[in-house]
Amino acid sequence: SQQGEEDPQALSIQEGENATMNCSYKTSINNLQWYRQNSGRGLVHLILIRSNEREKHSGRLRVTLDTSKKSSSLLITASRAADTASYFCATEQDSGSRLTFGEGTQLTVNP
Amino acid sequence: EAQVTQNPRYLITVTGKKLTVTCSQNMNHEYMSWYRQDPGLGLRQIYYSMNVEVTDKGDVPEGYKVSRKEKRNFPLILESPSPNQTSLYFCASSRLAGTNEQFFGPGTRLTVL
Repeated sequence: SQQGEEDPQALSIQEGENATMNCSYKTSINNLQWYRQNSGRGLVHLILIRSNEREKHSGRLRVTLDTSKKSSSLLITASRAADTASYFCATEQDSGSRLTFGEGTQLTVNP
Repeated sequence: EAQVTQNPRYLITVTGKKLTVTCSQNMNHEYMSWYRQDPGLGLRQIYYSMNVEVTDKGDVPEGYKVSRKEKRNFPLILESPSPNQTSLYFCASSRLAGTNEQFFGPGTRLTVL
């Protein structure tokens, strides 16, 4: 299976609710990144968390990293319909030359 | 405007007809990469380039070629396309390899009949 695996595969919530997506990985990493993709379009970088960091915030986004469990979570607070998209985690392994993407979580925020 | 461009955006072709998908970035990035995206499989890396004249295989390089003669361009070549190469292709670049965010192009939807 892929290095990064998101959970759940799909998530549907109401506007204003919080959305939490999880990512698990298998090998040691240098950093973990989260990307967003609107339907059929290119990915957009959201946030990067390094292996020596445990939590990071950017606006309504909060990312946590637990290297002992090889997992990360992305929390989107006070979600909006415009947050509807697929969210991918990507890990950079020790070699530092490549990112490996998971299969993504499809988030639907209903107005 | 800083961006990664790809051409064409959509392409329908037939088995065996050589094609090239171009990718260009205007950010003076050293690192460039090609991915394909398929339902249920996420993004898989095809080839990447750490700098001019330096390319390396990703996870799914079979059936593809790349070149990096100039810093800004990283074309993807399909010498003899087959139907299993029908996919959505993305080019991406970053300032350096490793701990850097990647900037993605808009994607090229390729159908091989």
